[in-house]
Amino acid sequence: NAGVTQTPKFRILKIGQSMTLQCTQDMNHNYMYWYRQDPGMGLKLIYYSVGAGITDKGEVPNGYNVSRSTTEDFPLRLELAAPSQTSVYFCASSQKTGLGSGEQFFGPGTRLTVL
Amino acid sequence: GENVEQHPSTLSVQEGDSAVIKCTYSDSASNYFPWYKQELGKRPQLIIDIRSNVGEKKDQRIAVTLNKTAKHFSLHITETQPEDSAVYFCAASSRAGGNQFYFGTGTSLTVIP
Repeated sequence: NAGVTQTPKFRILKIGQSMTLQCTQDMNHNYMYWYRQDPGMGLKLIYYSVGAGITDKGEVPNGYNVSRSTTEDFPLRLELAAPSQTSVYFCASSQKTGLGSGEQFFGPGTRLTVL
Repeated sequence: GENVEQHPSTLSVQEGDSAVIKCTYSDSASNYFPWYKQELGKRPQLIIDIRSNVGEKKDQRIAVTLNKTAKHFSLHITETQPEDSAVYFCAASSRAGGNQFYFGTGTSLTVIP
């Protein structure tokens, strides 16, 4: 299994541009998450999904959109990029258990710079 | 929502000594508490986790303790080695909270040879 994969690894955007960060998992996990990690900081949840067709906002959703049309894919869309969105973005997935979520598996991250 | 606080933000120990990192949480519904290790430029990796029906869990040199009454949990690393140097994050999650994960702000651990 490849686990959680993300593309691209790096990207530089100009202010006002848009882009989609791709995330795919091959573990048939129900739950998927998008986080951003600013330098020297912890992870902040942007959006998450508990299954195909269901998405919810996390702590910092402004400026982002997501969709979950399949179990495997959970793309994150940035519209009108701003310098404040410069960060490292991690996608993660976990399996639903009887007690809630199981272990989260993270993708390798996308380093985004907005100039 | 849940609020997770983590202390200390930096920690330096001599090789072979023990390291302890503490986290507190606010939501009594939280029932899953993982700990992650993140090396520079890498993704977070799970090192140990604990559920609310267990008070302590150990895996070789790493242990986690949970006090549900006080709403805090701690990571203990014994016999530290230079390769333990990294940033460590705690997190809390609950089914009632939509299975979101709330992360602490991280502890930068340096093990001095």
